[in-house]
Amino acid sequence: EIVLTQSPGTLSLSPGERATLFCRASQSVYTNYLAWYQQKPGQAPRLLIYGIFSRATGIPDRFSGSGSGTDFTLTISRLEPEDFALYYCQQYGDTRWSFGQGTKLEIK
Amino acid sequence: ELQLVESGGGLVQPGRSLRLSCTASGFTFGDYVMSWVRQAPGKGLELVAFIRIKAYGETAEYAASVKGRFTVSRDDSNSIAYLQMDSLKTEDTAVYYCTRGLRISGDVFDIWGQGTMVTVSS
Repeated sequence: EIVLTQSPGTLSLSPGERATLFCRASQSVYTNYLAWYQQKPGQAPRLLIYGIFSRATGIPDRFSGSGSGTDFTLTISRLEPEDFALYYCQQYGDTRWSFGQGTKLEIK
Repeated sequence: ELQLVESGGGLVQPGRSLRLSCTASGFTFGDYVMSWVRQAPGKGLELVAFIRIKAYGETAEYAASVKGRFTVSRDDSNSIAYLQMDSLKTEDTAVYYCTRGLRISGDVFDIWGQGTMVTVSS
């Protein structure tokens, strides 16, 4: 099973700043099958990005994904108040899909 | 509106059983792989099980932690997915989410239910 390690554990930023979240895989992710989800307290996760780059329906273009192989990044170009939440990466290139442990994006 | 609504959660003693239901609306249920993802209190996400569409034999896959104890099934005529949980353990305590697979392989979860809480405790 591919293990995903997200960093940092917590990221403290202010609205309007740029956020960069990292996800590192224990081995190369096949065909770059990597997704990102956002979860707010008391809510279900929401799909943001899949296939590294593709935004899900309704996701604003301030969210972007990049990376390849074992290293992936979620970037939020200019933080809005509603962006402060938990973020998870997920790989689905292996037969056993797995999630990272999450990065908490909090208001500074 | 695309929607998944889970039900059936609650408090159950270790060793007992529980069946979760997930009722879908707003899309052609039979065209999509359906999965169950759980989240223990204060923890991350774990894929529990998924079931393929009829064209792929409605075959299912399970996490190692639940294999042999949980069974996923589907009723396409009523747009419902089920998760039968037997021999429950305290470590099965979690919010259980029903999800829809964006791709034919079911591996990207684009629609999520609100979740149902399962507490396994004596």
